[in-house]
Amino acid sequence: DAGVTQSPTHLIKTRGQHVTLRCSPISGHKSVSWYQQVLGQGPQFIFQYYEKEERGRGNFPDRFSARQFPNYSSELNVNALLLGDSALYLCASSLGPTNTGELFFGEGSRLTVL
Amino acid sequence: GEDVEQSLFLSVREGDSSVINCTYTDSSSTYLYWYKQEPGAGLQLLTYIFSNMDMKQDQRLTVLLNKKDKHLSLRIADTQTGDSAIYFCAEKAGAGSYQLTFGKGTKLSVIP
Repeated sequence: DAGVTQSPTHLIKTRGQHVTLRCSPISGHKSVSWYQQVLGQGPQFIFQYYEKEERGRGNFPDRFSARQFPNYSSELNVNALLLGDSALYLCASSLGPTNTGELFFGEGSRLTVL
Repeated sequence: GEDVEQSLFLSVREGDSSVINCTYTDSSSTYLYWYKQEPGAGLQLLTYIFSNMDMKQDQRLTVLLNKKDKHLSLRIADTQTGDSAIYFCAEKAGAGSYQLTFGKGTKLSVIP
């Protein structure tokens, strides 16, 4: 069974540009979360979607947006990129409203902003 | 606010036990997790514990939770070189929340 898949795996952008990152959850999982991991830090929560609705948002500016599609895949969009947006962006999927909240992470998309 | 603290580095000899510690501040935490991250990879869920438990054992892994002191530990028995990685402690707040709050990670180095 395929795990969480993310694309692209690596990308380089320049300041001011826009980026779209994509995620496909584990089959049967209806919830997708996005985390940002800056080098040397733990992951920081950005968004969580369940059944195509936003269920949680972390402390990130409005330049960050996301959506979830009918097939439960998701996109994370970041506008007007800043140098500080350079990070590993992790997508995680879960079954849905389960109390255990287990998250299964993809390998991440490594974004470098020059 | 929520905060999760971990020591940044731990070095052990192969075959010894490793103990990675974590403290958290959110008293409403329901579940606590340990994730492993190898270089260039995503996070792998190792184990989790419900906040009304004080211990959970899974093969070489033992999780201890002291809810009064908000202290969580992960013990790895018979540590192997393949255990070298960064270990993250994370907490989840109450029911309805899917947001995990992670610590900065503890880098475990295993000396052959």
